[in-house]
Amino acid sequence: ETGVTQSPTHLIKTRGQQVTLRCSSQSGHNTVSWYQQALGQGPQFIFQYYREEENGRGNFPPRFSGLQFPNYSSELNVNALELDDSALYLCASSASERETQYFGPGTRLLVL
Amino acid sequence: GIQVEQSPPDLILQEGANSTLRCNFSDSVNNLQWFHQNPWGQLINLFYIPSGTKQNGRLSATTVATERYSLLYISSSQTTDSGVYFCAANFGNEKLTFGTGTRLTIIP
Repeated sequence: ETGVTQSPTHLIKTRGQQVTLRCSSQSGHNTVSWYQQALGQGPQFIFQYYREEENGRGNFPPRFSGLQFPNYSSELNVNALELDDSALYLCASSASERETQYFGPGTRLLVL
Repeated sequence: GIQVEQSPPDLILQEGANSTLRCNFSDSVNNLQWFHQNPWGQLINLFYIPSGTKQNGRLSATTVATERYSLLYISSSQTTDSGVYFCAANFGNEKLTFGTGTRLTIIP
């Protein structure tokens, strides 16, 4: 059984650029959630996808967008990057929206 | 708003000591999980425990849903237990809300 994977592991961008982060869910899981974790804080919920539809969104602006593919993998896109977007981005998959979430290793994004 | 609070924020212990980490939440929960985040950022599931008590080796957890708190016990701590421990909860239709974490440092 393959766990949750994320790519890339690290990324450096400049302000105003756009970034796409990727997540492959664990086998058998149809729900993917994305979180942003700033340094020294707990993860903050960005949004969740369930069977290719957005299923809940946290307090993040529209420049944070995503999608889920038929194989349940997912992308997080961030447009017009700001310095405060520098963080660890975590993806989690689960068998359904209320089941235990399993996290990937994360992508560290640095915006200069 | 919904709150998940953890205490203590920092804990430094000698190897072999026992510890208790606390998580208080502001409303009834559908789900409560404990995670360990290692120094590389990986969040590792420890327990899914909306109520009751569970044990896994040196770790155990108890959630008293009616009193809105959960406890994580670590016995005979090892240096590999170091890291940040998070509790996270689902409230109603809301998605997973994380606490502020407890940073545990185990000294050899």
